[in-house]
Amino acid sequence: DAKTTQPTSMDCAEGRAANLPCNHSTISGNEYVYWYRQIHSQGPQYIIHGLKNNETNEMASLIITEDRKSSTLILPHATLRDTAVYYCIVRFTGNQFYFGTGTSLTVIP
Amino acid sequence: NAGVMQNPRHLVRRRGQEARLRCSPMKGHSHVYWYRQLPEEGLKFMVYLQKENIIDESGMPKERFSAEFPKEGPSILRIQQVVRGDSAAYFCASSPRLAGATETQYFGPGTRLLVL
Repeated sequence: DAKTTQPTSMDCAEGRAANLPCNHSTISGNEYVYWYRQIHSQGPQYIIHGLKNNETNEMASLIITEDRKSSTLILPHATLRDTAVYYCIVRFTGNQFYFGTGTSLTVIP
Repeated sequence: NAGVMQNPRHLVRRRGQEARLRCSPMKGHSHVYWYRQLPEEGLKFMVYLQKENIIDESGMPKERFSAEFPKEGPSILRIQQVVRGDSAAYFCASSPRLAGATETQYFGPGTRLLVL
């Protein structure tokens, strides 16, 4: 599975969009991009995943660049409850998700 | 549809005792994964099981740790003769089919093990 690089931490004002970047320059053509988050040591929560096209669900949007070497998770209207560690994971197949250190997002009132 | 359930949520053991952690997957899911999270670190894969089979245990420590997923009942992660370094959060995840690119894993709330 390809390695990912994320900023260690980010702040976002409440009500504004939170844009979390992820670099995965060694991603291969059949690897998916997944995003999970972990709120204060709870179990990781699935957010969204995609392969090539941009994806949107009730939680977030995922924007994947055309060359697929990077992606951005967008939380359109961040709330205080979105404060968490966000993990970007790329995965083709196999039995495990590789969790790095993620981005610690703090939503500021 | 209930999510992944884990119990106990908190477990305290003295050095040398045994710890048994249980995981019930989501309804309809037949694949279970165990991860460990040490303080201030990300989750690390331990083992992947299907009913009555261990598929991948590449992340399991060689000694004292074992896992099972019987035909009936929850998956069990067993740690024998616990040491202080075993103190961590242990998370279980489940998925419905063979692990693949589009098979999302859904995580439980975790068991926090503290070894005194």
